Amino acid sequence: DQQVKQNSPSLSVQEGRISILNCDYTNSMFDYFLWYKKYPAEGPTFLISISSIKDKNEDGRFTVFLNKSAKHLSLHIVPSQPGDSAVYFCAASAPGAGGTSYGKLTFGQGTILTVHP
Amino acid sequence: DAGVTQSPTHLIKTRGQHVTLRCSPISGHKSVSWYQQVLGQGPQFIFQYYEKEERGRGNFPDRFSARQFPNYSSELNVNALLLGDSALYLCASSWSGDNSPLHFGNGTRLTVT
Repeated sequence: DQQVKQNSPSLSVQEGRISILNCDYTNSMFDYFLWYKKYPAEGPTFLISISSIKDKNEDGRFTVFLNKSAKHLSLHIVPSQPGDSAVYFCAASAPGAGGTSYGKLTFGQGTILTVHP
Repeated sequence: DAGVTQSPTHLIKTRGQHVTLRCSPISGHKSVSWYQQVLGQGPQFIFQYYEKEERGRGNFPDRFSARQFPNYSSELNVNALLLGDSALYLCASSWSGDNSPLHFGNGTRLTVT
């Protein structure tokens, strides 16, 4: 039961262009969404998040868009840089008893982004 | 500030053995979560602890257990190891668990032979 799906295993982009990574989810209870970046031999690094009450959140070169009706979110990286080459995971969480739910994230399978100089 | 630290970084065990993995959260963080990541997949939730109490458990067998200590560090224990337990085990901490992003350590790579 894959509640969070990243259907593109890999994405290749030229330096300076836009990278768009996509993520779909099925659980309507998810109310908080995050993107993480992972380099080999390192743990995932938090990039950006969005609450379900918003449809867009920006942080520098990174923008996350949320379309609740389509149960879809995307991460835009503009402009893309070679250092952005990594595996990108989207993750989601749902409210739980006691409200301390955000330690439990459901991750997608990841998308390998390669940015060519 | 030190990030989330995990030990050991690599471990090789034999089927049927027991393993203990350790995690120290970022200073001030009271919530610790454990994740298993197998090759080609995203991390999968195992446990969350907050203020030394278990707050969540993923779909893992009872061979997996964990605990959190008064200093908020945590241990993950796995009994009767199977070949399928070979994975990267990630620990993550957050300030309270509510609306605060998880910060991950670099993981422990467990190989079961």
